[in-house]
Amino acid sequence: GAGVSQSPSNKVTEKGKDVELRCDPISGHTALYWYRQSLGQGLEFLIYFQGNSAPDKSGLPSDRFSAERTGGSVSTLTIQRTQQEDSAVYLCASSFRRGVPRDSSEQYFGPGTRLTVT
Amino acid sequence: GQNIDQPTEMTATEGAIVQINCTYQTSGFNGLFWYQQHAGEAPTFLSYNVLDGLEEKGRFSSFLSRSKGYSYLLLKELQMKDSASYLCAVRVVFSGGYNKLIFGAGTRLAVHP
Repeated sequence: GAGVSQSPSNKVTEKGKDVELRCDPISGHTALYWYRQSLGQGLEFLIYFQGNSAPDKSGLPSDRFSAERTGGSVSTLTIQRTQQEDSAVYLCASSFRRGVPRDSSEQYFGPGTRLTVT
Repeated sequence: GQNIDQPTEMTATEGAIVQINCTYQTSGFNGLFWYQQHAGEAPTFLSYNVLDGLEEKGRFSSFLSRSKGYSYLLLKELQMKDSASYLCAVRVVFSGGYNKLIFGAGTRLAVHP
């Protein structure tokens, strides 16, 4: 079946502009995560949506970052007034909780959006 | 705080065995994951441990000791295509049932002929 998709794959923007990054999770996956990965670095958690619950926004680095998840499916990560330090690959992942003991509920990652702020 | 440590780089020879270690200090532990990430690609799931012991899956095995905050990923019969970054990640659970993965910086493995 289809995996997690993200668009655009690459985005170059000027400092100070706003950008929107889109994520389409795997159909039926209730959890959706956004991460940021700078060159040669590990993944930095940004935000987590689980069903209809309030999202966990604890990883958002500043109030310039926000995310929405409409209808429990597609998600949009918005970065306002972009700065050069926002340049990174933004990865989206989704998972499904099977409701069985010790379920891994592993996350499936999309290909990412490479954001370059000039 | 939450902290995950793994070596930055490792090299190994094709056909050999390599062990990548990961140590963690976290609260709310709810499982440890290993992901493989080839350059320029998304991470892909390799293994999951939530109980102590060894989980084997083909050429890859993963071990967990919760009391020691320690895991390793064992790769056997190395192939050139195994050259990638290997990410150790701990799932932590917070009040309200929220959970998230905390990733280490990754170990870049280079396999040589």
